[in-house]
Amino acid sequence: NAGVTQTPKFQVLKTGQSMTLQCAQDMNHNSMYWYRQDPGMGLRLIYYSASEGTTDKGEVPNGYNVSRLNKREFSLRLESAAPSQTSVYFCASSAGQGTDTQYFGPGTRLTVL
Amino acid sequence: AQSVTQPDIHITVSEGASLELRCNYSYGATPYLFWYVQSPGQGLQLLLKYFSGDTLVQGIKGFEAEFKRSQSSFNLRKPSVHWSDAAEYFCAVGLDAGGTSYGKLTFGQGTILTVHP
Repeated sequence: NAGVTQTPKFQVLKTGQSMTLQCAQDMNHNSMYWYRQDPGMGLRLIYYSASEGTTDKGEVPNGYNVSRLNKREFSLRLESAAPSQTSVYFCASSAGQGTDTQYFGPGTRLTVL
Repeated sequence: AQSVTQPDIHITVSEGASLELRCNYSYGATPYLFWYVQSPGQGLQLLLKYFSGDTLVQGIKGFEAEFKRSQSSFNLRKPSVHWSDAAEYFCAVGLDAGGTSYGKLTFGQGTILTVHP
């Protein structure tokens, strides 16, 4: 039982390049989330997916797109990376109710030069 | 919109000393409240959560937190800190948007805990 997995762990991009961050969970959870973590700012929600087939914007969606590929997988795409997107990205999942624990992946450290 | 404030960016304590990390929230209704811990280079792990009932909540690793509605606070405590508790701690408030099946979290800025031997 791996929980929430993320790939890659580290990535360096040049400004303007694109990439997709992958996330998968094996807990049969309905809801999945993408956060970014920046020093002194806690975690901020980028996009979430309440259930398979639905996605919605969070607090900081600009510059990102997401795809809920199936119940297990939720990817985050940067179409044209900018230095302001240098951050640590975390994927999380939960059963789906407000009281449910969100389980986090190990994170992807992204640097945009 | 809900918000969470952790007033202390960095706290240093000696091993064996007691610990209290502060968390204040702003939310119109009764919130769902969480404390997460993040060890260096790791993802976040849930310590404890509150959504109803007893206002004193017990969590893992000997942590507890008390919900005080009058003070809009949900402070985390531990009676005796161990060196392995050194980490960053995040308070979060969640809401269940009535009828829908998701729970969005708003996180505080985090408090870094350093433990001296």
